[in-house]
Amino acid sequence: KNQVEQSPQSLIILEGKNCTLQCNYTVSPFSNLRWYKQDTGRGPVSLTIMTFSENTKSNGRYTATLDADTKQSSLHITASQLSDSASYICVVSGNYGQNFVFGPGTRLSVLP
Amino acid sequence: DAGITQSPRYKITETGRQVTLMCHQTWSHSYMFWYRQDLGHGLRLIYYSAAADITDKGEVPDGYVVSRSKTENFPLTLESATRSQTSVYFCASSERQYEQYFGPGTRLTVT
Repeated sequence: KNQVEQSPQSLIILEGKNCTLQCNYTVSPFSNLRWYKQDTGRGPVSLTIMTFSENTKSNGRYTATLDADTKQSSLHITASQLSDSASYICVVSGNYGQNFVFGPGTRLSVLP
Repeated sequence: DAGITQSPRYKITETGRQVTLMCHQTWSHSYMFWYRQDLGHGLRLIYYSAAADITDKGEVPDGYVVSRSKTENFPLTLESATRSQTSVYFCASSERQYEQYFGPGTRLTVT
């Protein structure tokens, strides 16, 4: 069964600190992996997209990594800000991009 | 540039009633999607459309109907609403298959 798991379920950090969120998947065949940020009461917004051949991609303070061999991805947030408080969702696409499997998300809270 | 909009943003309806959620995008994207998001679950795909007049089922299509007569609109209809369909519904659009833009969501409560 195609699945995406994320850890931790929730995370609380202080402003200015770094953190890393994890995503493990069993989706096969693999097409691409995306990280989304979802603010409370809003729709998800794409942060990064990675295909099989990419193992690192950055978007400002967000850096995503992908290990297609172990089927793991991580999202690293550097120098966190209060506005980083949100849910972060890992989405894996298989079957030439038409099969989207969403992870349950990690809820990040950044405190002053 | 409105992007992708959903209406209504909030809806309360009774069990057994028909309700339609609207989705409109201004980018002329080929692909459009409907998801539901429930506590404890990730976003789950209900239906998607690759182009006007082409729709296909997702993971949880039962109890829902979609149509796409125009590229920019993708309405989702609950033919006879049930309490289990209480959820937040998100519409998304994409020009390429793997980059999606989401609407703000519709919070639906079925009493």
